Amino acid sequence: DAGVTQSPTHLIKTRGQQVTLRCSPKSGHDTVSWYQQALGQGPQFIFQYYEEEERQRGNFPDRFSGHQFPNYSSELNVNALLLGDSALYLCASSLRYAGGSTDTQYFGPGTRLTVL
Amino acid sequence: QKEVEQNSGPLSVPEGAIASLNCTYSDRGSQSFFWYRQYSGKSPELIMFIYSNGDKEDGRFTAQLNKASQYVSLLIRDSQPSDSATYLCALPIQGGSEKLVFGKGTKLTVNP
Repeated sequence: DAGVTQSPTHLIKTRGQQVTLRCSPKSGHDTVSWYQQALGQGPQFIFQYYEEEERQRGNFPDRFSGHQFPNYSSELNVNALLLGDSALYLCASSLRYAGGSTDTQYFGPGTRLTVL
Repeated sequence: QKEVEQNSGPLSVPEGAIASLNCTYSDRGSQSFFWYRQYSGKSPELIMFIYSNGDKEDGRFTAQLNKASQYVSLLIRDSQPSDSATYLCALPIQGGSEKLVFGKGTKLTVNP
């Protein structure tokens, strides 16, 4: 049973550039959430995708956008990178219930983004 | 008041001792609580979740929930050096686990 996978593992960009991170959910899961974890902090919720639509969003600017594909995989895009965007980006997958709540979230290994 | 607060530590215990990790939260309506373990440079790994008041045991781990006091804790019995990690408390903001809010984590070191 494949767990959550993310690519790439590490990425180095310069200020102003754009980046795309990718995530494949755990087998059987249909919901993908993205989190940003700065050094020494807990993960912070960016947004969540279900049925190819953004369902919830945290307190992140529009520079952060995403997409979900029919196979439930997802991308996180960040435009106009800032030094402060350097962090570990985590993807978490879960299964959505009929009532709208979701099952436990399982995290992928993360993508370490460094902005110089 | 922050939504989830944890003592960032570091917490240091000798091998074989009981490690006690604590978390307080502000939303009285919170129904479920999660403990994740995160090794340095790795992603969070779910180790326990608890929904009901009282204790929930899983091997060497016990989660304790007191909704009246808005307090959840994690006890690790017979601590091992391999338990050395950062422990994150998290709770969902909207019903299920749609949006998890995390504490900053408590760094635990178990000394051989």
